[in-house]
Amino acid sequence: GNSVTQMEGPVTLSEEAFLTINCTYTATGYPSLFWYVQYPGEGLQLLLKATKADDKGSNKGFEATYRKETTSFHLEKGSVQVSDSAVYFCALSDPDTGNQFYFGTGTSLTVIP
Amino acid sequence: NAGVTQTPKFQVLKTGQSMTLQCAQDMNHEYMSWYRQDPGMGLRLIHYSVGAGITDQGEVPNGYNVSRSTTEDFPLRLLSAAPSQTSVYFCASWGSYNEQFFGPGTRLTVL
Repeated sequence: GNSVTQMEGPVTLSEEAFLTINCTYTATGYPSLFWYVQYPGEGLQLLLKATKADDKGSNKGFEATYRKETTSFHLEKGSVQVSDSAVYFCALSDPDTGNQFYFGTGTSLTVIP
Repeated sequence: NAGVTQTPKFQVLKTGQSMTLQCAQDMNHEYMSWYRQDPGMGLRLIHYSVGAGITDQGEVPNGYNVSRSTTEDFPLRLLSAAPSQTSVYFCASWGSYNEQFFGPGTRLTVL
């Protein structure tokens, strides 16, 4: 079946620190991969995505590379800001139909000044 | 362009009561879905729709009904609420590019 496993939180970092949130997946084929961000009291917003192996998604200083050989899609940012404090979700779309999405459990990030 | 809207924002029900969570989108998206978000479990798919008149079950459909009579609307019905349905519910829609747009959520408490 399809599933996503992501790094347990919560994560607390100082401003300007380097961020990595690990995400690995299991899928029956070649899914599209996503990172979503959820700010307090809001719905999820797409942060970045990658649709095939070796693609790199990037947005707002965040990056993630689709690694087929390690079935991973780790999220990175070189220098986090207080405004990056949120919950981050890794997700994949069903490789056969694209109609269903599977989410990880979410990783809470707090950035302190 | 309002995106995805959900009503109500908050709701408290007693066990056995029924209610409908409303979801609407104005982006002419073909696909819509309902998720529930519980602590430590991420988002789990309840039901989804691939177009008007077509719905299917997700991972956790029991206790919930849906219908899709128009492209814009995708209501979620709880016929007999149970405490296990206490959760935050999110509606999402998407088109051809697999980017889901989420509503702000409905926080439901069942006593």
